Amino acid sequence: GAGVSQSPSNKVTEKGKDVELRCDPISGHTALYWYRQSLGQGLEFLIYFQGNSAPDKSGLPSDRFSAERTGGSVSTLTIQRTQQEDSAVYLCASSFLRGGQATHLNTGELFFGEGSRLTVL
Amino acid sequence: AQTVTQSQPEMSVQEAETVTLSCTYDTSESNYYLFWYKQPPSRQMILVIRQEAYKQQNATENRFSVNFQKAAKSFSLKISDSQLGDTAMYFCATWGPGTYKYIFGTGTRLKVLA
Repeated sequence: GAGVSQSPSNKVTEKGKDVELRCDPISGHTALYWYRQSLGQGLEFLIYFQGNSAPDKSGLPSDRFSAERTGGSVSTLTIQRTQQEDSAVYLCASSFLRGGQATHLNTGELFFGEGSRLTVL
Repeated sequence: AQTVTQSQPEMSVQEAETVTLSCTYDTSESNYYLFWYKQPPSRQMILVIRQEAYKQQNATENRFSVNFQKAAKSFSLKISDSQLGDTAMYFCATWGPGTYKYIFGTGTRLKVLA
């Protein structure tokens, strides 16, 4: 597709269950970011991928959170044993950014998906 | 450390009027970029306007323009002829080539009134 695609759009789960959130970035984008946005709040950085590597996982809130990226494309954010405080919108974004350097293809713009709204009951 | 501060949590403006959203930042990068993103109620974040720090000329995109004051580390967004569709959350952000991290402010919720 032309844009960043995220699924599911909405997910309601029970406390203690595991959930997987998927992000399909724009084709050719090497950089991929996950952010968390609580209701009406700003963006909390979770993790950054350059290709399949994650140079910075420092934003992941706990060891219940993990993420991977395969083939330099699709990424999956997994939350194990969900808690009510995990309820939020999870945003994925991608960019041409390569190793922290701008390229002729990269205006510095992040392209966002529509997010996955997670509700933990 | 890089920081971005938006001191106006909420603002409102009458349709067709002009409004200015404030943003201040701090960065150790010598060359960096500044952005304003818009997040309407539909949730998808889109880029409104972008400014390279090495350019002295203020960026403009139709009804949107910025007042970039590098020495003061200020980057405000002016929306002229406000429209109902401008109602959204607006985020200021900075990014530098020396780092992969985009730093976002906490956002300003703008409501355009009919």
